[in-house]
Amino acid sequence: DTAVSQTPKYLVTQMGNDKSIKCEQNLGHDTMYWYKQDSKKFLKIMFSYNNKELIINETVPNRFSPKSPDKAHLNLHINSLELGDSAVYFCASSQSTYEQYFGPGTRLTVT
Amino acid sequence: GENVEQHPSTLSVQEGDSAVIKCTYSDSASNYFPWYKQELGKRPQLIIDIRSNVGEKKDQRIAVTLNKTAKHFSLHITETQPEDSAVYFCAASNRNQGGKLIFGQGTELSVKP
Repeated sequence: DTAVSQTPKYLVTQMGNDKSIKCEQNLGHDTMYWYKQDSKKFLKIMFSYNNKELIINETVPNRFSPKSPDKAHLNLHINSLELGDSAVYFCASSQSTYEQYFGPGTRLTVT
Repeated sequence: GENVEQHPSTLSVQEGDSAVIKCTYSDSASNYFPWYKQELGKRPQLIIDIRSNVGEKKDQRIAVTLNKTAKHFSLHITETQPEDSAVYFCAASNRNQGGKLIFGQGTELSVKP
């Protein structure tokens, strides 16, 4: 009955590969987000979708492409992975941009 | 640009003491201020939040205060317990601009038994 779930939990891959992270929420929320937490634990917004529409697109390389097939799902596809992409990626969801609930995170390691 | 400064970066207290973490935000249009607790290897968990039309909010041992004029807000934890040990993040958001959270740098709180 996890509210916000992500898969996979860990992702180890080589430079240049393409990978995807999936997120699902069963809270009935209308807004979903992707955050990146770097090695110094700094959390930074990447994208946000409201009712499947992209509303926030921060300064993120265009190798990162989010997709929201429906209100309950938000995926993140990353092309041509680089060493600097290594981080923990968190999905979050909220109703009407108030309380945001985070998923368990995906630890991405690029070697 | 938008910025949230958080202090201190580390805080060590004895069990039973109080802990205070302070944040300052730059965007005067910010109107929502949540606090998150993150234990090692876990997700950030929302512990308390405050909206811009309120000056103070309390939930058991946790309280948050907001000074809009000074663009300053603080987290107060009373009667600290070892299980309060974690990294705490403040954040600020302008709900009218999609609700993106601008996070502070985090405070590592250690409660010694």
